[in-house]
Amino acid sequence: AQTVTQSQPEMSVQEAETVTLSCTYDTSESDYYLFWYKQPPSRQMILVIRQEAYKQQNATENRFSVNFQKAAKSFSLKISDSQLGDAAMYFCAYPPLESSGDKLTFGTGTRLAVRP
Amino acid sequence: GAVVSQHPSRVICKSGTSVKIECRSLDFQATTMFWYRQFPKQSLMLMATSNEGSKATYEQGVEKDKFLINHASLTLSTLTVTSAHPEDSSFYICSATDTFDDQPQHFGDGTRLSIL
Repeated sequence: AQTVTQSQPEMSVQEAETVTLSCTYDTSESDYYLFWYKQPPSRQMILVIRQEAYKQQNATENRFSVNFQKAAKSFSLKISDSQLGDAAMYFCAYPPLESSGDKLTFGTGTRLAVRP
Repeated sequence: GAVVSQHPSRVICKSGTSVKIECRSLDFQATTMFWYRQFPKQSLMLMATSNEGSKATYEQGVEKDKFLINHASLTLSTLTVTSAHPEDSSFYICSATDTFDDQPQHFGDGTRLSIL
């Protein structure tokens, strides 16, 4: 079975500082997408960033960037200049091998607190 | 962008009642929709994949007769929790795939179901 592991149940960061959330996954595929989703207290699921495995360059979206290490099957999310609105649950997600392409497996999540 | 509307957002009902949750894609056609269940402080657990015009595909351990899924049109999937009991209380989230969009899934805002 394909798995997605987030080893940090909770993280805390000072406002304006940088924090990195870790994610590892298991796959035998060579090309695939990886995703980070944010779930604020409203519980809406928001796509933060995606990475396509065949691309060497790490994806970046404003203050959010990833450190994608394909050989290590690691996909960490870096949040720079943290803001109070970044406080949320963050889920790493990956389409499992047996899926039609759109089905996602989510990690267990990391709860991020931002200290003012 | 693609919008998924989920209704109702909150349901409180007595044990034994059947509850229907609707998931609509507002500005795109969704041949595939997904239903998730989320317990407090936990990740999203995929319950079933809903395919327009055909039977839903249920994940292992999910009772088909308890969680009835109907995907009668390209814009609507419904989840009916039949004869609900307190253990069915949870947060239910739907999502839909827009084949003309590069996001894997667009999520509804979820339904908080409380069975008394």
